[in-house]
Amino acid sequence: DARVTQTPRHKVTEMGQEVTMRCQPILGHNTVFWYRQTMMQGLELLAYFRNRAPLDDSGMPKDRFSAEMPDATLATLKIQPSEPRDSAVYFCASGPGQSTNEKLFFGSGTQLSVL
Amino acid sequence: DQQVKQNSPSLSVQEGRISILNCDYTNSMFDYFLWYKKYPAEGPTFLISISSIKDKNEDGRFTVFLNKSAKHLSLHIVPSQPGDSAVYFCAATPANSGYALNFGKGTSLLVTP
Repeated sequence: DARVTQTPRHKVTEMGQEVTMRCQPILGHNTVFWYRQTMMQGLELLAYFRNRAPLDDSGMPKDRFSAEMPDATLATLKIQPSEPRDSAVYFCASGPGQSTNEKLFFGSGTQLSVL
Repeated sequence: DQQVKQNSPSLSVQEGRISILNCDYTNSMFDYFLWYKKYPAEGPTFLISISSIKDKNEDGRFTVFLNKSAKHLSLHIVPSQPGDSAVYFCAATPANSGYALNFGKGTSLLVTP
């Protein structure tokens, strides 16, 4: 059963430390998305890629967040330096990218706590 | 700026009754709408969708209604079951958007026995 895999599932770190979250999209999917879930904002879009090229990262705080796709099987989201307000659940999702009317498949998320 | 709004943070319904979850949107360019269901410690999973060319889509116990003039959609679950207890997210996307979904804040549904 194909699924989006995210690591780590949980991360606790101290303010100022670098955090790296990883995502393996479903094989053959060419769109990858990073979302963040908070109580206040719900699911916010941070960035997304098509065919590994970044399409939109306007949802990310540029000074501390960066998203990359080193290859088709790996997407990364980095926070440096991390701050307590970054505490949230970060989801990666992928989609076939074949049509407008399609659904995204989400990973189980990375629960990030910045102390 | 929240373009997809779910104004009810929570809803409690008795087993066997109908659950109605509501969603409003502000962007008239949205033309495809989806509902996702999320259990604790899991990622959202796709539930049902509707294109703007339709006003109703049904899948088993789940029906989504779309009122384009009111920029409103709703999800009906009949009959509700305890296993339906989860957070439900409404999402929308405009045509030619690159497929990025705009989500609401979610409605937590509790179905009591």
